[in-house]
Amino acid sequence: GAVVSQHPSWVICKSGTSVKIECRSLDFQATTMFWYRQFPKQSLMLMATSNEGSKATYEQGVEKDKFLINHASLTLSTLTVTSAHPEDSSFYICSAQSPGVTDTQYFGPGTRLTVL
Amino acid sequence: KNQVEQSPQSLIILEGKNCTLQCNYTVSPFSNLRWYKQDTGRGPVSLTIMTFSENTKSNGRYTATLDADTKQSSLHITASQLSDSASYICVVSAVNNNAGNMLTFGGGTRLMVKP
Repeated sequence: GAVVSQHPSWVICKSGTSVKIECRSLDFQATTMFWYRQFPKQSLMLMATSNEGSKATYEQGVEKDKFLINHASLTLSTLTVTSAHPEDSSFYICSAQSPGVTDTQYFGPGTRLTVL
Repeated sequence: KNQVEQSPQSLIILEGKNCTLQCNYTVSPFSNLRWYKQDTGRGPVSLTIMTFSENTKSNGRYTATLDADTKQSSLHITASQLSDSASYICVVSAVNNNAGNMLTFGGGTRLMVKP
């Protein structure tokens, strides 16, 4: 089946620094990738939709200047949390969607971000 | 507004016992329904996918049912094992010809299997 990887799997950073998370589709090309955020004991919340070669579409309430998304190729999307603060600590999960299969998303293993 | 409600929120059972998780949805137009298992600190992994015409689908000890008329689904776990301890998420997909996210996530059921 389709495999999506994320790197790093966990990261600890100081408040005020920026952190980049990578999401890769390993065996298929993904024209669309999604970024989710998950707080403890809660379900996934969509942050943004990332289309290859165009600007990301952010959900209401998600700051686009704080969560920078780049989808430069068909197999890679990155999420950069800028000037991270402790409240940004969360579990970030990406998913990738194959072209022509618009209702199937393959999820990555997630990245645990802890901001001190 | 599309919504997916899951019950119970959490469940504790003894190893070897069976359990059933529920999912009610109001997603239109309906495309498919998936059950995912999410281990702590990991991404969701698909267990089953069901379309409108399917009533039952099994994956090992997991059996999902779908009643498209009442818009209800269930996930039955047979002979539970300690490794079944996880969150189970019901995700319903809407038909959409435009690019974008058509998935509506349930809040999940946290299952704990005790020895």
